[in-house]
Amino acid sequence: QVQLQESGPGLVKPSETLSLTCTVSGGSINSYYWSWIRQTPGKGLEWIGHIYYSGSTTYNPSLKSRVIISLGTSKNQFSLKLTSVTAADTAVYYCARGSLGAHNWFDPWGQGTLVTVSS
Amino acid sequence: DIQMTQSPSSLSASVGDRVTITCRASQSISSHLNWYQQKPGKAPKVLIHGTSNLQSGVPSRFSGSGSGTDFTLTITDLQPEDFATYYCQQSYSIPLVFGPGTKVDIK
Repeated sequence: QVQLQESGPGLVKPSETLSLTCTVSGGSINSYYWSWIRQTPGKGLEWIGHIYYSGSTTYNPSLKSRVIISLGTSKNQFSLKLTSVTAADTAVYYCARGSLGAHNWFDPWGQGTLVTVSS
Repeated sequence: DIQMTQSPSSLSASVGDRVTITCRASQSISSHLNWYQQKPGKAPKVLIHGTSNLQSGVPSRFSGSGSGTDFTLTITDLQPEDFATYYCQQSYSIPLVFGPGTKVDIK
């Protein structure tokens, strides 16, 4: 079965760039949408954006100016870059597979990784 | 953006109870509504997609209904493993948006 695992620094300084990678195992990244979602106590679950296996991307307009989602150099990876971070970007970041078809649900999810923005 | 609300924000229930959680969208989303369960320290897990379609492996005591702007998640015969937080998510338009969650705890 498909499993996802996030990796990357747990601490990022303000104004710097947050970079995370999601590794997909047990299946191919071909087909499906691949999303990044974050969760904070204050704002709850927030969809950041997704990338289709072809490389096309769609972002949440609230973050669009600061986000880049890309396919990884390794075949079964995709990545998130969030620039100019502030304390408000402190969150648990999840990667997840988005379904094809009419109802875009997320399954499975990675276990999540806590990223803290602090100097 | 479509806004999602949930009620109640929390509830207390007993094993064996029937529980109903409501999700409301700020505009019609047809049947594009998904439900998730999240336990502490874990990622959300999809229960129902497309309003009423049970995800493979999810117990049949979970069911969903609704259309347009109003949706419900019902748990019949609540089990100890069902105590968790439940989120709805609209998939009608970008950005994909989650509701604020409903925490179900033990009475």
